[in-house]
Amino acid sequence: AQTVTQSQPEMSVQEAETVTLSCTYDTSESDYYLFWYKQPPSRQMILVIRQEAYKQQNATENRFSVNFQKAAKSFSLKISDSQLGDAAMYFCAYRSASGTYKYIFGTGTRLKVLA
Amino acid sequence: EAGVAQSPRYKIIEKRQSVAFWCNPISGHATLYWYQQILGQGPKLLIQFQNNGVVDDSQLPKDRFSAERLKGVDSTLKIQPAKLEDSAVYLCASRESFTEAFFGQGTRLTVV
Repeated sequence: AQTVTQSQPEMSVQEAETVTLSCTYDTSESDYYLFWYKQPPSRQMILVIRQEAYKQQNATENRFSVNFQKAAKSFSLKISDSQLGDAAMYFCAYRSASGTYKYIFGTGTRLKVLA
Repeated sequence: EAGVAQSPRYKIIEKRQSVAFWCNPISGHATLYWYQQILGQGPKLLIQFQNNGVVDDSQLPKDRFSAERLKGVDSTLKIQPAKLEDSAVYLCASRESFTEAFFGQGTRLTVV
């Protein structure tokens, strides 16, 4: 069975600085997707970025980028130029590329942005 | 494009009572998920539908939880009878082929 681990329950960053959130996962599959979701107090999960396992190039979306290390099964999220609106819970998630396509989530990291 | 709609947003019930949650997915999305998110934890899949058929309900406590998706569109999740440990946020999400899952705002259930 696949598992997702987020070892940082909480992180803090100064506004305009850079922060990296960590995620490791375990799977025996070769083809899968990895995601970072943001969950603000409104509770709605918002997709931040996704990575296809077959792509070596790290995904980037504006101020958000990932460091995907497939052999190490590591998938970290870097937020550059942090803004107050980035404060939220961040969840790392795994989804198989075949089968049921269910999402498996980590336990989350609460990000605080300090003014 | 309208998002995933869920209702109610909040619900408080006493233990042993029953409760139902409703989800209206994005139009055309064949896959619908119900997740349970206990405070301080990540979402856990309860049940997944493909159209109106169940794909995965391995973690659904079937002695008290039930879900249906009539006509492959809207879905309801029911708990009967509720226990204190059912207090959580219940998230609905939908997805179509080759896209990612879109989530609703969830229903926060408090069982007292």
